[in-house]
Parts: sequence; structure tokens; C-alpha cells
Amino acid sequence: EAGVTQSPTHLIKTRGQQVTLRCSPISGHTSVYWYQQALGLGLQFLLWYDEGEERNRGNFPPRFSGRQFPNYSSELNVNALELEDSALYLCASSLVHAAYQTYGYTFGSGTRLTVV
Amino acid sequence: QKEVEQDPGPLSVPEGAIVSLNCTYSNSAFQYFMWYRQYSRKGPELLMYTYSSGNKEDGRFTAQVDKSSKYISLFIRDSQPSDSATYLCAKATNAGKSTFGDGTTLTVKP
Repeated sequence: EAGVTQSPTHLIKTRGQQVTLRCSPISGHTSVYWYQQALGLGLQFLLWYDEGEERNRGNFPPRFSGRQFPNYSSELNVNALELEDSALYLCASSLVHAAYQTYGYTFGSGTRLTVV
Repeated sequence: QKEVEQDPGPLSVPEGAIVSLNCTYSNSAFQYFMWYRQYSRKGPELLMYTYSSGNKEDGRFTAQVDKSSKYISLFIRDSQPSDSATYLCAKATNAGKSTFGDGTTLTVKP
């Protein structure tokens, strides 16, 4: 069974540019989550999508956005890149418990974004 | 105060040692806890998931939850060099989000 796949693996962008990161969840998982892992800051929750809808978002500015497609794959878009956006962006998927709690995520290997 | 605080480490132990990794949490709602292992340049990998107080074993790994003191631990028996990684504790919420500790980096020396 294929795991969570993310593309691209590495990306270098200039401040002010826009970037799109992509994620394919494990087959059968309807929930996709995005996390940012910046150096020294730990994993920070960005977004949660389930069944094509945004269910929750973390404390990030609106220039961070995304969507989930009918096949449950997802995109994360970041506009007007800033230097502090440099981080590992992790996508995860899970089966969602009826009470919207999770039994843990399966993460992809991430996209390392460097903003110069 | 962070919702999940993790002993920062780093930890360095000899091969075969018992390792104890520890976290505390502050919010008693939705007490689902996870431990993840993250190798360098990889995404975190779910090791164990637990809800109840007490111990849960999986091979060399034991997760322990003490809800009265809001303390969670991961024990690794007979540690191996391949266990060298960063270990993350996490607590789930009712909104899809998990809150992670900052991680403890473990090095097991042959």
C-alpha cells in the first residue's frame, strides 16, 4: 500500500513569490492535514480537510490556503512568501473517528521549502 | 504555557539501555495521546496510540499515561542504534488537530 506522497520534495523560492505543494493521502483516508515544521518551532497545525471541506485551520495568515479534491488529494498554497515561511511542510492523512478525533496520522516525507 | 511540554533532551545512551521519554500536558479534554518517531529528513512515523491510563506495550516500546498527573511517557527497552531519532509526543483534539511537543532527540551509541 502506498503511503502519503508529497511533491515536490524540495523547493527554493524568492520572497514574494507563490508556491503550491501537493499531497496524496493513503487510499481510503478521507482526511488530510497540513503541518509546518520550522527549525526550532516544532510542528504547527496549518489546515485540516475532510470530504472536500476545510474543517479547521491553525493560527496562520490567510495567505496560507488550500483545497481538497474529490479524490481526497490536497494542495497547500502559500502566497507572498516570506523568509520565515522556510520550513518542512508535512502532509498527513487519517481515518477520522466519528467524534472528529484521530487515532494518529500517517505523515508523508514532506516538502522542504526554502525562501531566499 | 504550551499545551504539551516535552523533556527537551538531547539524550545519549549506550546500546541496550532502557530509555525514558517524557511529556506533560495541560488540557484534560480529548485525552488521546500519540508517540511519533522522526528520522532526519523524514516525516514523523506513528509509533503508538493510547487513550486509557496505564500501560500499552508494542514490542520494545511501552507507552504510559498517568491522567492524574497529566504525564505521558514512552519507554524503549533494549535500545538499538536504529532507535536514534527524534521522538515527538502529541495530544489529539476534537477538531482534527494534534498538538505536538517539541521533540526529544535520542542517540543510541553502539
